[in-house]
Amino acid sequence: GAVVSQHPSRVICKSGTSVKIECRSLDFQATTMFWYRQFPKQSLMLMATSNEGSKATYEQGVEKDKFLINHASLTLSTLTVTSAHPEDSSFYICSAKQGYGYTFGSGTRLTVV
Amino acid sequence: QQQVKQSPQSLIVQKGGISIINCAYENTAFDYFPWYQQFPGKGPALLIAIRPDVSEKKEGRFTISFNKSAKQFSLHIMDSQPGDSATYFCAASIRTSGGTSYGKLTFGQGTILTVHP
Repeated sequence: GAVVSQHPSRVICKSGTSVKIECRSLDFQATTMFWYRQFPKQSLMLMATSNEGSKATYEQGVEKDKFLINHASLTLSTLTVTSAHPEDSSFYICSAKQGYGYTFGSGTRLTVV
Repeated sequence: QQQVKQSPQSLIVQKGGISIINCAYENTAFDYFPWYQQFPGKGPALLIAIRPDVSEKKEGRFTISFNKSAKQFSLHIMDSQPGDSATYFCAASIRTSGGTSYGKLTFGQGTILTVHP
């Protein structure tokens, strides 16, 4: 079946630094990938939709200069949290669309100290 | 109009019992209704999905019931097991223009299911 690999699974960074999260579709090409943020005991909140070769579309209220998304190939999308602060600590999840289905990565737990 | 409302927030069931989670939507353009299971610290995994042209779909112990006129759909887990303890999300999506795929998912609020042995 379709597999989406997300790395790292956990990352701790210092306040003010940047962190990059990778999302790879391993056995299929994903023209569209989605990035979500999830707080404890809450639902997934869509941050942005990334399409290969074009600029990402951000949801209302999401700072595009803070959450940089790059979808340079059909199998890789990256989310960079720039100048991270403790309030950016969260669980970040990517998802790749394949035909009529969606496959999710295993998530990245970001802790900013 | 894009919301999907899910209930209950939490559910406790005894082993062997039936777990029922309900979702309601407003946007009649929604055309794809999946259910996802999420364990702590993991991403969601697709359990089962349905399209509005059928009223029920069953896969093993999991069944989706779909009521188009009421704009509601539900997940039934038969013979619930402790290993089913997880958070369950319903979702909905709209077919993209051209009809070749679906757009972004709109998620329900989630239900934390606990199955006691």
